[in-house]
Amino acid sequence: AQSVTQLGSHVSVSEGALVLLRCNYSSSVPPYLFWYVQYPNQGLQLLLKYTSAATLVKGINGFEAEFKKSETSFHLTKPSAHMSDAAEYFCAVSPPGGGADGLTFGKGTHLIIQP
Amino acid sequence: KAGVTQTPRYLIKTRGQQVTLSCSPISGHRSVSWYQQTPGQGLQFLFEYFSETQRNKGNFPGRFSGRQFSNSRSEMNVSTLELGDSALYLCASSLASGAGSTEAFFGQGTRLTVV
Repeated sequence: AQSVTQLGSHVSVSEGALVLLRCNYSSSVPPYLFWYVQYPNQGLQLLLKYTSAATLVKGINGFEAEFKKSETSFHLTKPSAHMSDAAEYFCAVSPPGGGADGLTFGKGTHLIIQP
Repeated sequence: KAGVTQTPRYLIKTRGQQVTLSCSPISGHRSVSWYQQTPGQGLQFLFEYFSETQRNKGNFPGRFSGRQFSNSRSEMNVSTLELGDSALYLCASSLASGAGSTEAFFGQGTRLTVV
């Protein structure tokens, strides 16, 4: 069985500061990993995904994440926070190949940007 | 290219009633998955349909059911509604299920309130 743990239900950073959202996974085999963002009253938008290619993955809006097998982590970073980054962020895992068993999501991290 | 369309966006139902939610996937996508999102439980996988067949189901009671039509549109039904069924129901479409499907595109969701 897979699981995802997101450390910190709320993270607050100043505008222009580094954003670091933490995600650790548990899986018997190296999984596929995803980060999604959700704005209020909206669905989920894919930021980036890891599918066993390059361990450093670049996504949209300046976000990137690094897959570290030894640490079972897939932390999301952005060098400089913008006010528009304020949202809920979800880390998710699926079996290699994705699909049928659905995505297993973490509880989410609410990112707050201080002016 | 149109995204994933969920209707209706908002719904209010009374306990004991039943409800049907609709999801139209991205053109060409054959896999539709459903998720329930609540503040307490987060995002939970309900089921996935591919080529009109349910491929997998999450840990939800039999009151939750679904189906997929030949044009890949999907409906989700919840019978005998309970207060705890109040949630945002999200639909996601993918090109394929299992191997080869690594990215799910989400709709904006249907906000169901049970009173």
